[in-house]
Amino acid sequence: GAGVSQSPRYKVAKRGQDVALRCDPISGHVSLFWYQQALGQGPEFLTYFQNEAQLDKSGLPSDRFFAERPEGSVSTLKIQRTQQEDSAVYLCASSPRPGQTWSQPQHFGDGTRLSIL
Amino acid sequence: SQQGEEDPQALSIQEGENATMNCSYKTSINNLQWYRQNSGRGLVHLILIRSNEREKHSGRLRVTLDTSKKSSSLLITASRAADTASYFCATDALGGGADGLTFGKGTHLIIQP
Repeated sequence: GAGVSQSPRYKVAKRGQDVALRCDPISGHVSLFWYQQALGQGPEFLTYFQNEAQLDKSGLPSDRFFAERPEGSVSTLKIQRTQQEDSAVYLCASSPRPGQTWSQPQHFGDGTRLSIL
Repeated sequence: SQQGEEDPQALSIQEGENATMNCSYKTSINNLQWYRQNSGRGLVHLILIRSNEREKHSGRLRVTLDTSKKSSSLLITASRAADTASYFCATDALGGGADGLTFGKGTHLIIQP
């Protein structure tokens, strides 16, 4: 079956532009996560959805970052007024059950590499 | 912020040798997971060990967990060129709070053919 799909794979934007990154999780997966991975570092948690509800956004670095999952499937991460420090790989992951109630593996997409010029 | 620290940061060995990577973490956990990441790709789950387990095996992988020392190790036996990748440990915090995993900085493993 299809895995987690992210688009675009690469995005170049000028400082100050808005960008939108898309994630298609595995069909039927309840939990969806966004992570930010800087070069040479491990992923850092941004936000968590259980179906359409955003239950945790404690990792979002500023109010320029906004995520949604309106129908409980596809999710979009939006970054407004991009800054150079936003350059990173943005990874999406999904898992079948609610994250709070069961420790479970996460299934990752290949990420979107964002470069801010 | 990153919870875990992998050790070593980089490791280069000959094909067929065993590779051992270590991970330390700071807070009490529900479980610890190991992931592999090939260059330019997403992370692939390898193995999950719960806080009440001490050792777990999966194929050529062996993971240990010492909660008293807040540390874990990943052993890859009989390494292959295809094992070349970065390896990350990840934890989820006991008691909930943030639902995402907390990753270390990773060990970059190179298998020389």
